[in-house]
Amino acid sequence: QVQLVESGGGVVQPGTSLRLSCAASGFSFSSYGMHWVRQAPGKGLEWVAVISYDGSKKYYADSVKGRFTISRDNSKNTLFLQMNSLRPEDTAVYYCAKTRGGNIADVFDMWGQGTRVTVSS
Amino acid sequence: ETVLTQSPGTLSLSPGERATLSCRASQSVNSNYLAWYQQIPGQAPRLLIYGASSRATGIPDRFSGSGSGTDFTLTISRLEPEDFAVYYCQQYGSSPWTFGQGTKVEIK
Repeated sequence: QVQLVESGGGVVQPGTSLRLSCAASGFSFSSYGMHWVRQAPGKGLEWVAVISYDGSKKYYADSVKGRFTISRDNSKNTLFLQMNSLRPEDTAVYYCAKTRGGNIADVFDMWGQGTRVTVSS
Repeated sequence: ETVLTQSPGTLSLSPGERATLSCRASQSVNSNYLAWYQQIPGQAPRLLIYGASSRATGIPDRFSGSGSGTDFTLTISRLEPEDFAVYYCQQYGSSPWTFGQGTKVEIK
């Protein structure tokens, strides 16, 4: 059964860092692109970052470029999001999502349950 | 960046009625790379439609998608109680991937 489980969220102060993880199971993780999407409290979905199946391509939303880094460890079936210089506006539930095919330009056919990040002093 | 505008913001309907949701793009969507997702409060989004009109695995046939270029529609032919949720359109053809602001389908 395909499953994505995020972890690493929490309450942090502005300017600090946090690393999110997404553990994948039930599919060939190394064959699919992976995304991070976030949802601020009471708001809609905002795409954050994507990484290709082999890690060679990475793209970021302008709102996080230069502060967040997406990476993956295919040997451990795990996706990461390193978040630095956190701001209050980064407060959100962060979801990892799998692409339907190997191409990063594809729909998100499976989502994790999300991990909550709160940035507050 | 392709901006997606969904309308209406809220749709108040009764079970059994037909729901028609609109998504308009600020520029033509590459190869109709347009998807629809359903989100029930407290849950992760679920893929309904991709390629503008193809149903995802396990999605009931009361859900259908149509459109091309800049105008797209999600239709729910007969609303079931579990269909009352928020629906998002998304373009996935190019970076940045973008979502519409959502349409809430609520019980009238």
